[in-house]
Amino acid sequence: QVQLQESGPGLVKPSETLSLTCTVSGGSISSYYWGWIRQPPGKGVEWIGSFYNSGSTNYNPSLRSRVTISIDTSKNQLSLKLTSVTAADTAVYYCAGGRQWLAFDCWGQGTLVTVSS
Amino acid sequence: EIVMTQSPATLSLSPGERATLSCRASQSVSSNLAWYQQKPGQAPGLLIYGASTRATGIPARFSGSGSGTEFTLTISSLQSEDFAVYYCQQYSSWPLTFGGGTKVEI
Repeated sequence: QVQLQESGPGLVKPSETLSLTCTVSGGSISSYYWGWIRQPPGKGVEWIGSFYNSGSTNYNPSLRSRVTISIDTSKNQLSLKLTSVTAADTAVYYCAGGRQWLAFDCWGQGTLVTVSS
Repeated sequence: EIVMTQSPATLSLSPGERATLSCRASQSVSSNLAWYQQKPGQAPGLLIYGASTRATGIPARFSGSGSGTEFTLTISSLQSEDFAVYYCQQYSSWPLTFGGGTKVEI
């Protein structure tokens, strides 16, 4: 089974862009359907968006205007960009992959991103 | 958007007891329903997909049932490591949505 590792800044200023990378090891990024999911402290999980079928994307309507997900197959990496962040975007961000369509059977450990000046 | 509603919010049980968790979808998701377990400080882990298929390595005490709008996760005999938060997720249509979670506590 693949292993996933999220990386990126743990602190982002309001109105700036949150950028995270998920590095996939132990398998090909092309073999999975991908998603980014987040979890505000003490709350439930929220789907941000997905990348699938070698180029298709779909985003949560509540975030669509601010989010971009992409893949670099040469680096086996998935990336997330979220623009114009506010304190409401403070959360643990997870990358996740699924082999059974978008039931996510592998997850990264998550990375906490705090939005604060 | 399909709204996923889980009940109860909290389930207080003892080791060895049977746990029954419910998940309701606001419209049919067929069998495109997954269950996850999350322990404190950890990422969610897939338990069930396709409403009733156990993921690799998941013990047989976990079972899922249902289709359409009503789903159930059953833990036949709670072990100490099963006390956690459980989420359901539909992947039938966009946007993907999760339920609010059920906390199974001792």
